Amino acid sequence: ETGVTQSPTHLIKTRGQQVTLRCSSQSGHNTVSWYQQALGQGPQFIFQYYREEENGRGNFPPRFSGLQFPNYSSELNVNALELDDSALYLCASSPFNTGELFFGEGSRLTVL
Amino acid sequence: GENVEQHPSTLSVQEGDSAVIKCTYSDSASNYFPWYKQELGKGPQLIIDIRSNVGEKKDQRIAVTLNKTAKHFSLHITETQPEDSAVYFCAASKTTSYDKVIFGPGTSLSVIP
Repeated sequence: ETGVTQSPTHLIKTRGQQVTLRCSSQSGHNTVSWYQQALGQGPQFIFQYYREEENGRGNFPPRFSGLQFPNYSSELNVNALELDDSALYLCASSPFNTGELFFGEGSRLTVL
Repeated sequence: GENVEQHPSTLSVQEGDSAVIKCTYSDSASNYFPWYKQELGKGPQLIIDIRSNVGEKKDQRIAVTLNKTAKHFSLHITETQPEDSAVYFCAASKTTSYDKVIFGPGTSLSVIP
């Protein structure tokens, strides 16, 4: 059974740029959630995708957007990067509506 | 709004002793309470969970308790080992519409050999 994989693992961007992060869900899971984890804090919910539709969103601005593909993989896009966007971005897959999240190792984004 | 508080923020115990981490949640509609362990440089890993129809659950050296009336839940680790050293997060969600899981701020546990 393949777990959740994310790419890239690390990346550096400058303020104002755009970034795309990718996630492959665990086999058999049809739901993908994205979380932002700032240093020393707990993960914060960004949004969730189910059946290629956004199924819920946290308190993040519209410049955070996502996609889910028919194979349940997903992308997180962030436009107009700000310094405060520097964080670990975590993708988690789950069976629908169970709350049981299985996380990847994350993508560490640094915005300079 | 929805909130999960967690105490203590740091915890240091001697190997073999027990460790207890306590959490409170604000949304009375929450019905699922997972605990995650995060090692340095890795994503959080689900270690145990409890649902609102159960008051206690145990898995080897780990146990969780839930008091829905008081909106409290706790993680108990017995016979701690150095490999238990990590950051632990409690979380709460209501699995009625979508899986928005609210995490606590974390507890950094150090087990001293």
